[in-house]
Amino acid sequence: GAVVSQHPSWVICKSGTSVKIECRSLDFQATTMFWYRQFPKQSLMLMATSNEGSKATYEQGVEKDKFLINHASLTLSTLTVTSAHPEDSSFYICSARSADTQYFGPGTRLTVL
Amino acid sequence: AQSVTQLDSHVSVSEGTPVLLRCNYSSSYSPSLFWYVQHPNKGLQLLLKYTSAATLVKGINGFEAEFKKSETSFHLTKPSAHMSDAAEYFCVVSDLDFGNEKLTFGTGTRLTIIP
Repeated sequence: GAVVSQHPSWVICKSGTSVKIECRSLDFQATTMFWYRQFPKQSLMLMATSNEGSKATYEQGVEKDKFLINHASLTLSTLTVTSAHPEDSSFYICSARSADTQYFGPGTRLTVL
Repeated sequence: AQSVTQLDSHVSVSEGTPVLLRCNYSSSYSPSLFWYVQHPNKGLQLLLKYTSAATLVKGINGFEAEFKKSETSFHLTKPSAHMSDAAEYFCVVSDLDFGNEKLTFGTGTRLTIIP
């Protein structure tokens, strides 16, 4: 149980375009989901906390207008990277909370050319 | 504020020998502690968690960890390493930040298994 999926698993886009990443909890409902970013050989950094039916809470230094988060249902949160630039290239990982534990998705590798 | 220190960035052990990955934490309150494993280009898989119940926690794949409050440690161990254990391991503390749950990750320990 407690499976989280992400789609797509990898994406390549041109600079200036927008990319949407989906995070789904497959076998449980999650009122709270989280979005993380991981640079090569580094740890995970929390970008934002996504609450179903309300606005996301962004961590300091994360541009909310650039990283749009929508949590429209109890099983789906989306992260849209708007006007992507090469420095946005990274591994994006979501998690969904069930009880007192966060379960992580497999990650999405974004490459911006 | 909470923090996590993983004392070794890289650990190498021979197959069949014990594994010890060290983790120290600091937290203002009674924290929940986790160990996650990440294989290359994959997401994180939960190995085990401590949430103020038994101090010795058993996880998947033969791993276990002991919560020692006096030492503020939560070291991960396994009696006998397997080749499939080669991965990156993250120690994580969960705490409340102004009422919101927040995970703080250690910098990770890369475990290499020598055949």
